[in-house]
Amino acid sequence: QVQLQESGPGLVRPSQTLSLTCTVSGGSVSSGPYYWSWIRQPAGKGLEWIGRVYTSGGSNNNPSLKSRVTMSVDTSRNQFSLNMSSVTAADTAVYFCARESSEVYTIDHWGQGILVSVSS
Amino acid sequence: DIQMTQSPSSLPASLGDRVTVTCRTSQSISTYLNWYQQKPGKAPKLLIYDATSLQSGVPSRFSGSGSGTDFTLTISSLQPEDFATYYCQQSFSTPWTFGQGTRVEIK
Repeated sequence: QVQLQESGPGLVRPSQTLSLTCTVSGGSVSSGPYYWSWIRQPAGKGLEWIGRVYTSGGSNNNPSLKSRVTMSVDTSRNQFSLNMSSVTAADTAVYFCARESSEVYTIDHWGQGILVSVSS
Repeated sequence: DIQMTQSPSSLPASLGDRVTVTCRTSQSISTYLNWYQQKPGKAPKLLIYDATSLQSGVPSRFSGSGSGTDFTLTISSLQPEDFATYYCQQSFSTPWTFGQGTRVEIK
């Protein structure tokens, strides 16, 4: 059974870069047919899809986040990562990493989530 | 982006009730619609995909229907573990978008 675990700082200063890593166990980030995704949820609010990264290294981001987001895959460590630049308080949220099936486009496995607060 | 509108936002219900949650999309998405359940402090869990397909391991009291722009999630007989927030999500075109959620709570 594949499991995902987010890691990274819980506090980021405004205008700095948020960096998170997701470690995958019980499966390989190199195996298909999957994409590796990030979703976030501000406290008490709904879910926002941030984007996904492919094993090839390509990615597909939410245009609402403009060019602030970069994602990558490290097959040697079985991890994938999210970087979000120029953060503001509006980026405070629980960040989930997840696996998306590229066959039926469902997010079928999720990490437990990590709370990231943006504050000085 | 495809806009998702769920109703109601809150749904008081009793054990054993038949519960229906509705999701409407801003454009036709065929059956590219998924439903998730989220409990407080936990990650969402996939219940239904492709509008009507039950995810493996999900109890059969959950069902989905609809196509085009109008979709429903039905719980045939509400169980204690079903009190949670439910989200619809479209997988027709990126960026994937979610409904605002429907909280099923104890009446």
